[in-house]
Amino acid sequence: EAGVTQFPSHSVIEKGQTVTLRCDPISGHDNLYWYRRVMGKEIKFLLHFVKESKQDESGMPNNRFLAERTGGTYSTLKVQPAELEDSGVYFCASSRHRGRGETQYFGPGTRLLVL
Amino acid sequence: TQLLEQSPQFLSIQEGENLTVYCNSSSVFSSLQWYRQEPGEGPVLLVTVVTGGEVKKLKRLTFQFGDARKDSSLHITAAQPGDTGLYLCAGATGSARQLTFGSGTQLTVLP
Repeated sequence: EAGVTQFPSHSVIEKGQTVTLRCDPISGHDNLYWYRRVMGKEIKFLLHFVKESKQDESGMPNNRFLAERTGGTYSTLKVQPAELEDSGVYFCASSRHRGRGETQYFGPGTRLLVL
Repeated sequence: TQLLEQSPQFLSIQEGENLTVYCNSSSVFSSLQWYRQEPGEGPVLLVTVVTGGEVKKLKRLTFQFGDARKDSSLHITAAQPGDTGLYLCAGATGSARQLTFGSGTQLTVLP
């Protein structure tokens, strides 16, 4: 079974530009999560999809971030326009079941650097 | 806002020594997961504990969930250089599915 994949692995952009991150969850996993780790901080939740619906987007920092999951398969996270403080590692995770003991499987992350 | 305090932040020990990593919170979690992360990779799940007082063993690693489900520990016996990595605890609450992560423990086991 293939794991969670993310693209690109690294992205270096200038302040004001747009970047789109992609996540392909494990096949059959309805739950998809985005997390972010900025320098020196712990990994923090951004949002949660159940299939194509946004279940919880309480962690999205502001309206410069837009996440989509059309068709309930892969997801994209777009940052427009990017700011310096958006630099960090963006992780995607997916899970099959919800409830106690739900296991989230993480992708390798996209390392974003905004100059 | 739930917070998970993880300690120690850094740990450097000699091969063969034992160590314990702690994860504490004032919040109750429905489950708690321990992950290990290597440089350039995402967190890889080691174990999930869901019942207060639960103890799980994974070879030389022993995981414990506190009776009140507010804290957890990871104990490694006879550490080996291959155990080197970033260890993360993460808790989930009953209402939200998001994980709350600790800040991590960077473990270095010297040969």
